[in-house]
Parts: sequence; structure tokens; C-alpha cells
Amino acid sequence: QKEVEQDPGPLSVPEGAIVSLNCTYSNSAFQYFMWYRQYSRKGPELLMYTYSSGNKEDGRFTAQVDKSSKYISLFIRDSQPSDSATYLCAMANSGGYQKVTFGIGTKLQVIP
Amino acid sequence: DAGVIQSPRHEVTEMGQEVTLRCKPISGHDYLFWYRQTMMRGLELLIYFNNNVPIDDSGMPEDRFSAKMPNASFSTLKIQPSEPRDSAVYFCASSRTENQETQYFGPGTRLLVL
Repeated sequence: QKEVEQDPGPLSVPEGAIVSLNCTYSNSAFQYFMWYRQYSRKGPELLMYTYSSGNKEDGRFTAQVDKSSKYISLFIRDSQPSDSATYLCAMANSGGYQKVTFGIGTKLQVIP
Repeated sequence: DAGVIQSPRHEVTEMGQEVTLRCKPISGHDYLFWYRQTMMRGLELLIYFNNNVPIDDSGMPEDRFSAKMPNASFSTLKIQPSEPRDSAVYFCASSRTENQETQYFGPGTRLLVL
């Protein structure tokens, strides 16, 4: 079993829909949780960065961490065609770069 | 700023050949990272440098892989000899701090080893 599990999709939604992207993990030592967005043929870019449990909101994006269930989510409200990309979750047990574990990524397509 | 620059963007080579990937980090960034991305394994950190010094190379898969950073504005990742299982997208990233929030990725090099 992988340390981080993420459904690769693809996930297709109509424009304006609420999107829910999720990851599960097995390592209870993870404390830092991240979401990256990766457009086709581009490098990943950091979207959200959270520490421990709870919610974090940034515009249309909300990151949610449930450490008791070892489950993290990224919600996108009022989805736009420009949100079409692959979303990678990532997590680590420390704030540095060592041992950051990435999910495989979920491909999202928002249809106009 | 032009961002992180990688070259070449695409590379096709035959098994056994030497491959050299190049990276120019963002000016002023003290940290430089090499990642590999495949469909099966996702994104994996291979090695990272701080002030041109390799800090952690535990992700380098084999001795066939080597990375250098001769100065603050240039790094190479070399594979010799290359094998088909090395086919992947290789990303370089740089950062001002030891924190993912200041990290920026380059566009990647798509490597295909036949």
C-alpha cells in the first residue's frame, strides 16, 4: 500500500460546479499538507499549504485536513475551465524538503 | 524574472547513451531541487542543493544518476548509461527558503529512452 493514495481520475465537471478532490494517507506522522496544481506540460505550482488539522480558505479554494481519518480534501467552488489541470496532494512530517510524499495526481476537466 | 529555466525541453535517446539535463534557477534562490515524475510513481525528489552543496541525495535511484551545481546559476543532472526505465519528466525547482511555500518549478524535460 502506498503512503499516499489519490484517485488519478479523470474527473469531468460542468463549469460552476463544486469540485472535491481527495487523498488518503497511512503515515500518522504527517503534519504538513499541500496541494499543487499542474497544467499540462508545465511544472507543479503550490496552491495550498496547511499545518495539522483544520480548514484553510483562499478565494475559491478550501483545503481541509482530517488527521483522525487520515484524509485531506481540496474544494474548488464555482469551478472554471481555467481550473482544468492535474491536482497533486503532498504531505510531510516536517517543514523541510526531506521526505515530502506526493500523490499521483487527479486530472480535472471543467467543461464550459 | 524568467523563472526556472530547463533545457532541453524534450530529449529522445537510445539505451546506453549519456543524457545531461540542465537547469538555471531563479536568481537569488539558494535552494535547487531535481524531481522525477512518472505515471506510476508520481513526483519524487531526487536530490537538492543549498548554496551549491548537495544536502540530500537519498532519492537518486542509482549510481547511474549524478547531479552537480558548479555555481549558483547552473545545475546538471546526468544519467549514464541511460535505460528505458529512466523515461520520465524531470523537473528542476528553486526556492529562497527551506519552505515549500517559496518553491518554484521549471517546465520540465521530457526524456524518452528507447
